[in-house]
Amino acid sequence: QQPVQSPQAVILREGEDAVINCSSSKALYSVHWYRQKHGEAPVFLMILLKGGEQKGHDKISASFNEKKQQSSLYLTASQLSYSGTYFCGTDSGNTGKLIFGQGTTLQVKP
Amino acid sequence: NAGVTQTPKFRVLKTGQSMTLLCAQDMNHEYMYWYRQDPGMGLRLIHYSVGEGTTAKGEVPDGYNVSRLKKQNFLLGLESAAPSQTSVYFCASSDRHSNYGYTFGSGTRLTVV
Repeated sequence: QQPVQSPQAVILREGEDAVINCSSSKALYSVHWYRQKHGEAPVFLMILLKGGEQKGHDKISASFNEKKQQSSLYLTASQLSYSGTYFCGTDSGNTGKLIFGQGTTLQVKP
Repeated sequence: NAGVTQTPKFRVLKTGQSMTLLCAQDMNHEYMYWYRQDPGMGLRLIHYSVGEGTTAKGEVPDGYNVSRLKKQNFLLGLESAAPSQTSVYFCASSDRHSNYGYTFGSGTRLTVV
């Protein structure tokens, strides 16, 4: 079953923060996060494995709550380049295949 | 490295016609995938492969067939195209374990009229 992302869309000013959530009805082995610019392919951001770890690079980080079957992506001090659609992808059994959420569109304005 | 290459990039088909989309990767990845992307629905898995000679169904396999005769290539076939198959198709590949992210191709925009 497809994970649910919230919110569906976010509009920010440069420098503001955002949180995107991904919730699954199934137990999760891993969660991936991707960003897609308009007309382009999705680009891998990070992966989180079960164990409740948190990851990040630059001003983008993510957490994974295995018990709640949820992951959150945190974007701090947003830049114009952060604009795009963010997708979470979930793997429920270390199968290697991902089921993606419907996406969250982020628009960062000057 | 080219990464993942999809051909063609654009195609218009008439209802009932057939076609094959080609995906090629040069990263020696074990896993390959075909997704379709429609507005508001995210990426939906059509078929995938965990190794040369293997294929498996994803979320929306009806109307599509796949083959993986060589490790580097994953073909997606439409036997009798329907307007509901109008979409953007993405191929992706990954290493054997899900600890690594997917590398996506640039996509094929298919219109069925």
